[in-house]
Parts: sequence; structure tokens; C-alpha cells
Amino acid sequence: DAKTTQPNSMESNEEEPVHLPCNHSTISGTDYIHWYRQLPSQGPEYVIHGLTSNVNNRMASLAIAEDRKSSTLILHRATLRDAAVYYCILRDVSSGNTGKLIFGQGTTLQVKP
Amino acid sequence: DTAVSQTPKYLVTQMGNDKSIKCEQNLGHDTMYWYKQDSKKFLKIMFSYNNKELIINETVPNRFSPKSPDKAHLNLHINSLELGDSAVYFCASSQGDTRHNEQFFGPGTRLTVL
Repeated sequence: DAKTTQPNSMESNEEEPVHLPCNHSTISGTDYIHWYRQLPSQGPEYVIHGLTSNVNNRMASLAIAEDRKSSTLILHRATLRDAAVYYCILRDVSSGNTGKLIFGQGTTLQVKP
Repeated sequence: DTAVSQTPKYLVTQMGNDKSIKCEQNLGHDTMYWYKQDSKKFLKIMFSYNNKELIINETVPNRFSPKSPDKAHLNLHINSLELGDSAVYFCASSQGDTRHNEQFFGPGTRLTVL
């Protein structure tokens, strides 16, 4: 399975942008990059995903390096509610259509008021 | 309306007992999953069902038996509970190929085995 590497923790101030990095140097050509987050005492929730081009949605932006060996999740204005564990995940190609997600240790984001 | 619901939210039981956790999704999805999150917070997939058929069965002890009576439900039955089964169990669902689609997770069931 292609692996991802993320910093264990990051801190941000409220209302400032946050850039959460992810390295995935062994990514294969058809792996999609997914980001999920897990708020305290809740189940994971989908944030964004992409293949090659940068992606934007109402929650965040995803910037993907040209060689696809790294990506960055961007929260444009962090709020206290964004404090969570953020997981960068490569969709497991070997599982075919089964959609297995392989979670790493993620990045714990702290947001200071 | 809750998209993916699980019951119970908390489950405390003795070693050796048999227990079940239920999951229901009202999203019309065709694929459902069970994940386990241990005390170190690692999330790991256990099972996946697509249209009521088992498609992923990770190396999980056969004391764990998933059952999908229909596409909207995936229950998890655990026999002869052990201390190491204590964890938070999350159910999830998705429609089709998740290279494109997101998985929706339930709120989790915290299982404590004494």
C-alpha cells in the first residue's frame, strides 16, 4: 500500500490560514489523494480529494505537487472548530472498487484563540 | 436526519460475553464498512460489504462476524469478547468507487471489555 507521511502535530492561530503537508513519494499514477479529519469524540469526516489538479471546496483547498509526491491541505481561515486530527490518505488501488481507506497517524491540529 | 447511525453509543461488558453493534445508513449507499480505532487512535478497516456481499475481510479474528441483512444495515457481532477488543468501532458507508466518492462515518461505538 502506498504510504503517506504527515507531521504529528501543528499549531495555528484562529482566523489565520493553515497549511497541512503530506508526503506520498510512492504514490502510483491512479491513486487519488483523500483528506479526512476527525474532530474530538466524533467519526472521521471527508474534507477533500484530488488526483492531479488543485481542488477547492467549501471546507478547504488541496494543492497537489506537479510530481504528485506531496500535497498540502489548506484551511483558509482556521476556526476553533477546525481543531482535529487530519488524515492524508491514498485510496488503495489494489482493492479495486472496494474503497478501502488506509489511515495513518494523521496531524493533530491545535487552533489557538 | 442522521446519515449513518450506530447503536449503542457505549457498550461495557465482561470478558467472554457476546455482543452486537448495529449500523444503519439512510443515504442509499451500496457499500458499508466497519473500522476499529484502538487506544492509540489508529483507525483500521475490518470489513466491507457491497450490496450485502463481503468484499473486504482484513485479518480479523473469526470471533468477529459482520452481517448485512440489507444494503442499509451492517451489524457487527463479537463472540467471546477479550480485553483487547476494547476500542471505538466506526461504521461507514459510500456509494461506489471511493476514488471519487467520500465515505460517511457514524459517530462510533465505544466498547469497553472488563
